[in-house]
Amino acid sequence: AQSVTQLDSHVSVSEGTPVLLRCNYSSSYSPSLFWYVQHPNKGLQLLLKYTSAATLVKGINGFEAEFKKSETSFHLTKPSAHMSDAAEYFCVVSDRNYGGSQGNLIFGKGTKLSVKP
Amino acid sequence: DTEVTQTPKHLVMGMTNKKSLKCEQHMGHRAMYWYKQKAKKPPELMFVYSYEKLSINESVPSRFSPECPNSSLLNLHLHALQPEDSALYLCASSRTRTSTDTQYFGPGTRLTVL
Repeated sequence: AQSVTQLDSHVSVSEGTPVLLRCNYSSSYSPSLFWYVQHPNKGLQLLLKYTSAATLVKGINGFEAEFKKSETSFHLTKPSAHMSDAAEYFCVVSDRNYGGSQGNLIFGKGTKLSVKP
Repeated sequence: DTEVTQTPKHLVMGMTNKKSLKCEQHMGHRAMYWYKQKAKKPPELMFVYSYEKLSINESVPSRFSPECPNSSLLNLHLHALQPEDSALYLCASSRTRTSTDTQYFGPGTRLTVL
C-alpha cells in the first residue's frame, strides 16, 4: 500500500527566510509524487511533480523538491518566503496499482504555512 | 490552458432541496473526479469517471448522484442532503487515469446545507 506522511502540521517562517516542508512516502513501486498548494477557500494548484525523471524538480513560484529514494522523502523547499506563500500544502502520491484505484491520489494531511512580516 | 471551471461558487440549500453542481474542462481530458473537502482536511475522493463511464464510487450516499453527459462536463446532483454534507466540493480532471498524469483542480463549490 502507498502512503504519505507530512511531518509538520504547521510551519511558521519569517518573510525572506527559507521554507522547508517535509514529506515522507511509502510505496512498493517507483512513485509519482506531487505537491499541491491550497489558498483559503480556493481549489488546489499544482506546484510540482516527480515521475521518475530528474530527482530535483523545479516548480512554480520558486519552489522545488528533491526526490530521495534512500530516505523515502520528497521535501518541498523555497529559498525565500513571501507573504503570498501562506497557504495549506499537500504532499500527494498517485496510486500505481494496476486496477480500479490506479491514478487515485493519496493525500498527506497537509502542512499549514504561515509567513510573518 | 489547464483550467477546470466549477459553478456555482457558493450554494446554500435546505435539506429538502434538489440542486446540481457543474464542472467543465476543455483540455481533452478523459478522466474526471469529484472530491469532498471538510475544513482543515485533505480532499476525499467521491467519484471517478473514465471515458465518460463511472469507474469508482467511494461508498458515497445515494443522495449524491454523479453524471457525465460528455467528455467535457461533469455534474453532481444533490438531493435530501444533511447538514454534515456541508463542505467544499472540488472537481478535477486528468488526461487519463495513469498515475503519472496530473490532476488539475477547479476552484470548488462551497456548499452549506441548512
